[in-house]
This record gives sequence, structure tokens and C-alpha cells, in this order.
Amino acid sequence: GQQLNQSPQSMFIQEGEDVSMNCTSSSIFNTWLWYKQDPGEGPVLLIALYKAGELTSNGRLTAQFGITRKDSFLNISASIPSDVGIYFCAAGGNAGNMLTFGGGTRLMVKP
Amino acid sequence: SQTIHQWPATLVQPVGSPLSLECTVEGTSNPNLYWYRQAAGRGLQLLFYSVGIGQISSEVPQNLSASRPQDRQFILSSKKLLLSDSGFYLCAWSVLGRGYEQYFGPGTRLTVT
Repeated sequence: GQQLNQSPQSMFIQEGEDVSMNCTSSSIFNTWLWYKQDPGEGPVLLIALYKAGELTSNGRLTAQFGITRKDSFLNISASIPSDVGIYFCAAGGNAGNMLTFGGGTRLMVKP
Repeated sequence: SQTIHQWPATLVQPVGSPLSLECTVEGTSNPNLYWYRQAAGRGLQLLFYSVGIGQISSEVPQNLSASRPQDRQFILSSKKLLLSDSGFYLCAWSVLGRGYEQYFGPGTRLTVT
């Protein structure tokens, strides 16, 4: 089946640092999304990307839809303790309304 | 605005017992509905999705089933739970035309003992 390879699996950074994570696939997708999940809660949609090459920001978060349609990255600038959580990429567009999810990047921020 | 509810929030059930988890959505009509399972520290596995009342598609063969008796209600069931059914169960919804933007409920933590 389709897979999204998300990296890194985990990151431990200092407060104030910038963070970058990415997601790649061997398949082409029409949509890329990024979610954040806090412990014991459901994932929350952060950014949705619908056009190849699109760069979209949401506060300190910036995400890009790769030109090849096979990848996406998420950057977080000036990290703060509340950025802690698991970030998931997801992609859709070639299997009805279903999304394929990456394995997640666990972000830990040291104050 | 739209909201999604799941209950119960946590559940501890013995092996072989039945299961019923409920999900309801408010503030939208005819949503697409989804059930996912998440093992500890892992990604999300799609179990079922529904595009309308009584219309259920299964993604993973298992001892679970889903039903959609009303437009904004989605139920996950099992007749006999297995230890491997333990996990975090998430319900999600999306709207026609923006089906890729899925919005998740708070989840149900199921422990089968």
C-alpha cells in the first residue's frame, strides 16, 4: 500500500530553536496536510496544502507542498514549550476521500 | 461551528466482551465519517469510513464493525474483544468538497484485559 516516510522520528531541541521535519512518498498526491497531536488527544489540523509548490504559513508554522507532489515539509520557527507533541503528515487525492498518514515526528522542547 | 464528540473517553473491557463506541458530529450535514485506531506511539490506521447513512466501507478486516444509523452518528462495535483491540480510537469527519481536511474527535482509550 501507499506509505508516507516521515522524518525525523523524534527531535529534542532547545526552546527558541527552529525545527524542520519532512514527509516523502513514492506516490503522487494532490493534497498534503500537517496535524499536531497532544498526549491523549485527537490530532488537530495545522495546515492544508492543495497546490504543488504552495508555501503556506500559520503563525510560526510554515509548510510547503513539494513540486514533485511526492513530498512536503513543515518548519516551526522559534520553538516554545507548547510546541511539544507529535506532528503527523498526511496526504490524499488518489484514493477517494481517504488520507494516508506518516508515522509521526515526536517533538520535545527543552525550556 | 462544528464539533465532534466521542464517548466514552476511556474504557477497560475484558477479553471476549462486546464493544460499542459512539461518535457524533454537530454543526454540519452529511459529513464523511471515519474511524481510526492508533497504537501507542504509532501512526493512525483507518478502520472504516462512511459517506452516508448505512454506507460503510471497511479498510482492515478484523473483528470490528461500524454502523451509521443517523446522518451525524457513527458507531464502532465488536461482539468479542481481543487483546489486540487495545488502542486509542479516533473518529473524524470531513465535508463534501473538502474531503481531505479531516477533523478529529478527542478519542477513546480502550484497554482490553
